[in-house]
Amino acid sequence: DSGVTQTPKHLITATGQRVTLRCSPRSGDLSVYWYQQSLDQGLQFLIHYYNGEERAKGNILERFSAQQFPDLHSELNLSSLELGDSALYFCASSGERGDYEQYFGPGTRLTVT
Amino acid sequence: GENVEQHPSTLSVQEGDSAVIKCTYSDSASNYFPWYKQELGKGPQLIIDIRSNVGEKKDQRIAVTLNKTAKHFSLHITETQPEDSAVYFCAAMNSGGYQKVTFGIGTKLQVIP
Repeated sequence: DSGVTQTPKHLITATGQRVTLRCSPRSGDLSVYWYQQSLDQGLQFLIHYYNGEERAKGNILERFSAQQFPDLHSELNLSSLELGDSALYFCASSGERGDYEQYFGPGTRLTVT
Repeated sequence: GENVEQHPSTLSVQEGDSAVIKCTYSDSASNYFPWYKQELGKGPQLIIDIRSNVGEKKDQRIAVTLNKTAKHFSLHITETQPEDSAVYFCAAMNSGGYQKVTFGIGTKLQVIP
């Protein structure tokens, strides 16, 4: 158990809908990262937040957004969902800047029908 | 941006044999190279990492080597066991930036009892 929690574990929704994925980092970790894992694209970095501030963006679509709250949990919002958004979404956390190790949560499996 | 290539995509070994997975990276500014193991239905788990000021690191049956000049790094697993069967990902990060991690495509390792 990495100490990172994600909810929900599974999510099934229809095209055009909006969903919110939640991540709680390990106790004391300030950074949260979001990744998308699909069969044909592997693990793709989406976005990184540090202590509430956005630090880096990867291949995140404009339909997706994220935020990190004062209690350090983070949410990834996916809107206008398309079939191609079906994937596993992971968050990872790490500690102070300079602490490179990222610890992954169990993931949320999103299925868009 | 960074590009990480990983070979092979699948690897089958007999129990007790060694397994080697190789990765190359493109950005000479990358200075942190973690390896992750992902079992079915779980999030990636950090198993070993190496920083650019070190050429080799070992942890029991797992070792990683780094050649900065050639921009490649490798994972070595000795005395493989069935529980080593999983997908392994290499990754590269520039810690001087905003800790954006680029992953390889993954290697599915099967250890045959």
